[in-house]
Amino acid sequence: EVELVQSGAEVRKPGESLKISCKASGYDFTKYWIAWLRQMPGKGLEWMGIIYPDDSDVRYSPSFQGQVTISADKSFDTAYLQWRSLKASDTAIYYCARESVVEPTPQSYYYFMDVWGKGTTVTVSS
Amino acid sequence: DMQMTQSPSSLSASIGDRVTITCQTSQDINNYLNWYQQTPGKAPKLLIYAASTLQSGVPSRFSGRGSGTYFTLTITRLQPEDSATYYCQQSYISTRTFGQGTKVEIK
Repeated sequence: EVELVQSGAEVRKPGESLKISCKASGYDFTKYWIAWLRQMPGKGLEWMGIIYPDDSDVRYSPSFQGQVTISADKSFDTAYLQWRSLKASDTAIYYCARESVVEPTPQSYYYFMDVWGKGTTVTVSS
Repeated sequence: DMQMTQSPSSLSASIGDRVTITCQTSQDINNYLNWYQQTPGKAPKLLIYAASTLQSGVPSRFSGRGSGTYFTLTITRLQPEDSATYYCQQSYISTRTFGQGTKVEIK
């Protein structure tokens, strides 16, 4: 079964660091992009960035560039999202999702997020 | 920056109704548009990709149309389990973006 299993809920104080994880199983981890998304309380989905585990090519949303670090370890089939110094405004649910691609006609690549983790709740409070 | 505008932001409909949600983009994205459904407390679920292709296992009462800058998601014969928030998302540019979501409630 194709699955993304995310690490458990975290509670931290402002200024602390944090690294959460997303472990893939059931498919070749190195051949699919993994995206990270944020959902603040009561709000919509925000795309943070994406990584290709085979070569660790990373793309960030301008809104999150410099605020977080996305990484992956293909030895462990795991992607990570990391903060150096958390703020209260980082309180949210964070999802990882696999991005798949289909090519129904030559040179037409359609990307979509077809497998999602259950989410990791991060609470930052003093 | 790609802007994506969904409407309405929420709606209430009865079981069996036909419901349509729209998504407009600030740039022409051809048909690089996906739709997701999120029920409370759950991760989003892919419904439709490439504007109109139904993801495997998704009921046929869901359909998508559109190209360019205007897209629709239609639910025919609304069911209780369709109570959820629906998001459009573009995959035309490498920095993906979502619409703000449409909450569908059952009367």
